[in-house]
Amino acid sequence: QAQLVESGGGLVKSGGSLRLSCAASGFAFSDYYMSWIRQAPGMGLEWISYISGTGSIIHSADSVKGRFTISRDNAQNSLYLQMNSVRVEDTATYYCASFNYGGGSDAFEIWGQGTMVSVSS
Amino acid sequence: DIQMTQSPSSLSASVGDRVTITCRPSQIISRYLNWYQQKPGTAPKLLIYAASTLQSGVPSRFSGSGSGTEFTLTISSLQPEDFATYYCQQTYNTPITFGQGTRLEIK
Repeated sequence: QAQLVESGGGLVKSGGSLRLSCAASGFAFSDYYMSWIRQAPGMGLEWISYISGTGSIIHSADSVKGRFTISRDNAQNSLYLQMNSVRVEDTATYYCASFNYGGGSDAFEIWGQGTMVSVSS
Repeated sequence: DIQMTQSPSSLSASVGDRVTITCRPSQIISRYLNWYQQKPGTAPKLLIYAASTLQSGVPSRFSGSGSGTEFTLTISSLQPEDFATYYCQQTYNTPITFGQGTRLEIK
């Protein structure tokens, strides 16, 4: 069964760094684009970034450009989000999701359970 | 950026009711429109993709329609497990954007 499991969340001070991980299993990870999405407490969903199956294509939201970097290791079936220069407004639950891009559903089909990031001032 | 406007923002309904949620993108997105359901404390779940295609395993009481700049999600007969928040999403271009959500509550 296809599954995504995030880890790496926690409490970090403003200006600090954190690396989130997302472990994939049960599907052909390298065939899929992957994405990070976040949800601030009590708020809606915000797309952050996605990466192609080979890692050659990356797009990110303006709100995180220059601070957050998405990457993947297909040999380890893992997706990462390096978060630098974090701000209080980055406090959110972070989800990874498979993105069936181009010819498939063009939707986020499989989601992890989320990992919480809290940024203190 | 494409702005996604959902209406209503919240909705009270009873078990057995038929409900419709509307999503209006700020520009034409063809049929690159998806719907997600999210229950408190859990991750979103894909319900419908490409405006009207039901994701595998999703009950047939859910349906989607529309194209261009107006889309709808309809639940034909509400069940207790359907009370949740629903989000539309466009994947027509980057940045990918979501609607603000529609909270469906029990009347």
